[in-house]
Amino acid sequence: GENVEQHPSTLSVQEGDSAVIKCTYSDSASNYFPWYKQELGKRPQLIIDIRSNVGEKKDQRIAVTLNKTAKHFSLHITETQPEDSAVYFCAASQGAQKLVFGQGTRLTINP
Amino acid sequence: DAGVTQSPTHLIKTRGQQVTLRCSPKSGHDTVSWYQQALGQGPQFIFQYYEEEERQRGNFPDRFSGHQFPNYSSELNVNALLLGDSALYLCASSLKGQSSYNSPLHFGNGTRLTVT
Repeated sequence: GENVEQHPSTLSVQEGDSAVIKCTYSDSASNYFPWYKQELGKRPQLIIDIRSNVGEKKDQRIAVTLNKTAKHFSLHITETQPEDSAVYFCAASQGAQKLVFGQGTRLTINP
Repeated sequence: DAGVTQSPTHLIKTRGQQVTLRCSPKSGHDTVSWYQQALGQGPQFIFQYYEEEERQRGNFPDRFSGHQFPNYSSELNVNALLLGDSALYLCASSLKGQSSYNSPLHFGNGTRLTVT
């Protein structure tokens, strides 16, 4: 079955700097890659997603890139703000809505 | 527009007991998936229901069972609770027949289950 590895497990950046979180997946049949943000005690919320026929997608300060050949995808957050502090999860699926999640990255933005 | 609602928010049970968790999907959604999130881990897929049947299942034992009602709401039942079942149980809804890209999962706030 699918296996998703996520790095780093913790990330601390200065406010205004960029943050990058990376994930690799094992199943070449996976074709959908969402990113979720989970604040303490709250639900995971979808922040951006990408499907396998697209290499890059951007939404304001957030972007995701996908390399199908290498089977990895990354989340990029620019101009980080304190409210970006949270746990971020990547996931992969074959479009059947069964998501396989990475282990999560705890992002801390230092003022 | 009501989002995904789950009840109860917190629950404490003893080993060997049984528990039932409830979920109402987002308005307009007909598919419900359940995930288990252990502390410090990513959510793990338990199973998915639509048209009142279990459609997909993850690597969870038969102690985990579910049900979906005609109004699309769902229950997760766990029998013979173990200490290791302590986790946040998340319900997510979506629209049947749509790819994940067209109908992303919407999660509820979860039920925090503690087994003592």
